[in-house]
Amino acid sequence: DAGVIQSPRHEVTEMGQEVTLRCKPISGHDYLFWYRQTMMRGLELLIYFNNNVPIDDSGMPEDRFSAKMPNASFSNLKIQPSEPRDSAVYFCASSPGQQETQYFGPGTRLLVL
Amino acid sequence: GQSLEQPSEVTAVEGAIVQINCTYQTSGFYGLSWYQQHDGGAPTFLSYNALDGLEETGRFSSFLSRSDSYGYLLLQELQMKDSASYFCAAPSSSGAGSYQLTFGKGTKLSVIP
Repeated sequence: DAGVIQSPRHEVTEMGQEVTLRCKPISGHDYLFWYRQTMMRGLELLIYFNNNVPIDDSGMPEDRFSAKMPNASFSNLKIQPSEPRDSAVYFCASSPGQQETQYFGPGTRLLVL
Repeated sequence: GQSLEQPSEVTAVEGAIVQINCTYQTSGFYGLSWYQQHDGGAPTFLSYNALDGLEETGRFSSFLSRSDSYGYLLLQELQMKDSASYFCAAPSSSGAGSYQLTFGKGTKLSVIP
């Protein structure tokens, strides 16, 4: 298995632009998680899905952030409009069960100027 | 919610043994996980303790004491490649069907010759 796949690996954009981050989970994993990692706040859970359904989005910072999972093999996280404080590494992870090991993708390093 | 505390940095000599501690405060506790993250990389799962005691996996061991709300990761025969950040993480449930994995801020381990 290729593991969790994320794209793009790096994104540099200007404040106000829309950013779309993409994730392909490991086949057969029912859970998908989006995390954000910064030096100040560490690794934070933004939202997670079970069988394509959003279960908990309480970690999503504000209305500028949205995430969807249209099918079992794809999810995206959108930021519109982006702001410099959104600069971080965004990780997608998947797991076969709710309390089982999470497998992380390589992350998307986002820089908003 | 969950709160996990761990030291921010640890330095140890190649070939030595190092222990990384983690204390937690939780509302509903299921166990303690440990993840490793190299600079520029993604977190990768190391171990999980659901029950009190020591779990050994090669050079790495993890310990949990529920009564003390405490756990640690023990790395033996340190190698230079062990230089990385190590995160403790605890799953919790809000009781409304929501599940979260909360991470500590991470301990940066530097292995020196």
